[in-house]
Amino acid sequence: EAGVTQFPSHSVIEKGQTVTLRCDPISGHDNLYWYRRVMGKEIKFLLHFVKESKQDESGMPNNRFLAERTGGTYSTLKVQPAELEDSGVYFCASSQDPHAVAGPYNEQFFGPGTRLTVL
Amino acid sequence: DAKTTQPPSMDCAEGRAANLPCNHSTISGNEYVYWYRQIHSQGPQYIIHGLKNNETNEMASLIITEDRKSSTLILPHATLRDTAVYYCIVRVRSTDKLIFGTGTRLQVFP
Repeated sequence: EAGVTQFPSHSVIEKGQTVTLRCDPISGHDNLYWYRRVMGKEIKFLLHFVKESKQDESGMPNNRFLAERTGGTYSTLKVQPAELEDSGVYFCASSQDPHAVAGPYNEQFFGPGTRLTVL
Repeated sequence: DAKTTQPPSMDCAEGRAANLPCNHSTISGNEYVYWYRQIHSQGPQYIIHGLKNNETNEMASLIITEDRKSSTLILPHATLRDTAVYYCIVRVRSTDKLIFGTGTRLQVFP
């Protein structure tokens, strides 16, 4: 079974440009999460989709960030316009519908991340 | 979510048991303890979780104190590939966001 995949693995852009990150969750996983680690800081939650709906977007830093999950499959995270402080590693994770598995256990599987560098 | 406290770093000799402590003194009765790790340049990886009973799987064991205010992750026979940052996280529901702290950087040496 394929894991969570993310594209691109690396992206280098200039301040003010736009970048779109893509995440393909594990097939059948309803829950999709975005996290990021900016330089020297801890991994921070950005938002959570359940299928195509945003369940929790409390971690989105500002309106320069737009996440979508049309059709409830893959997701994109667009940064427009990018700023220097957006540099970091962006992780995507997915998990199953908790009602589909016994008990509260519902592991989040992470992708390898996209390293974004804004110059 | 309850906060956790972990030592910033630990060393362990290859083949020995690595015991990673975590304090979560404000944990609520409905919060689970989860452990994840991040090996350099990879995404975080789930290790194990528990509520109040000790748990064991193919990767590790989790020992939770009776009062649930602390726990220990045990890697029974550490290998060089276990070198990583280990995160102890408490959360209510399995679909809740993960709140990562600074974790413990475990260095396994030959």
